[in-house]
Amino acid sequence: KAGVTQTPRYLIKTRGQQVTLSCSPISGHRSVSWYQQTPGQGLQFLFEYFSETQRNKGNFPGRFSGRQFSNSRSEMNVSTLELGDSALYLCASSLSDRVAEQFFGPGTRLTVL
Amino acid sequence: AQSVTQLGSHVSVSEGALVLLRCNYSSSVPPYLFWYVQYPNQGLQLLLKYTTGATLVKGINGFEAEFKKSETSFHLTKPSAHMSDAAEYFCAVLIKAAGNKLTFGGGTRVLVKP
Repeated sequence: KAGVTQTPRYLIKTRGQQVTLSCSPISGHRSVSWYQQTPGQGLQFLFEYFSETQRNKGNFPGRFSGRQFSNSRSEMNVSTLELGDSALYLCASSLSDRVAEQFFGPGTRLTVL
Repeated sequence: AQSVTQLGSHVSVSEGALVLLRCNYSSSVPPYLFWYVQYPNQGLQLLLKYTTGATLVKGINGFEAEFKKSETSFHLTKPSAHMSDAAEYFCAVLIKAAGNKLTFGGGTRVLVKP
C-alpha cells in the first residue's frame, strides 16, 4: 500500500510570492492534517480536513489556507510569503475521524528567500 | 489546552546501552499519547501509541513506553541502543474531542556512540 505522498519535495520561493503544496493520503484515508516544522517553533498544527471540510485549525495567520478534494487529496496554500515561512511542511493522513493514528508523508521543504 | 514537555533536547548513549527519553504531558481530559521518530530529511514514523487499556505499550524497533497517569508521563525506553536509533524523537498528545490535532513536544535528538 502506498504511503502518504507530498509534492513537490523541495521548493524555493521569494518573499511576497504564493505557494501551493499537495498531499495525497493513503488510499482509503479520509482525514488529512498539515503541520509546520521549524527549528525555532518545532512541530505546529496548521489544520485538518475531513470529508472536504476543515475540522480544526491551528494558530496561524489567514495567509495559510487549505482545501480537500473529493478524492481526499489535499492542498495547502501560503500567500504573501515571508522569510519565516521557511519550513518543512508535513502532511499526515488518518483513516477516519475516529482513528487517532496518523501516517506522515516525507514533507515539502519550503525555502523563502 | 494540552501541552507536551520533553526533557533534554539532546541525549547521547553508547551502543548497547539503555535509551531513556522523557515525556510529560498536560491535559484536562484523558489523552492519547504517541512517540514518533524522524530520520534526517524524512517525515515522522510512528513508534508506538497509547489510547486505552494496557499502560505498557510496545512499539517497533524494540521500543516501549509506559503511561503513568499519576505522573502525567509517557517515557520511551529501549534496553539496548543500536547505531540505527540515531534520530530525533517526538512525543505527542492528542485529545480526541479536538479532532486529529497532534500537539508535539520539542523533540529529543539521540546520538549513539560506538
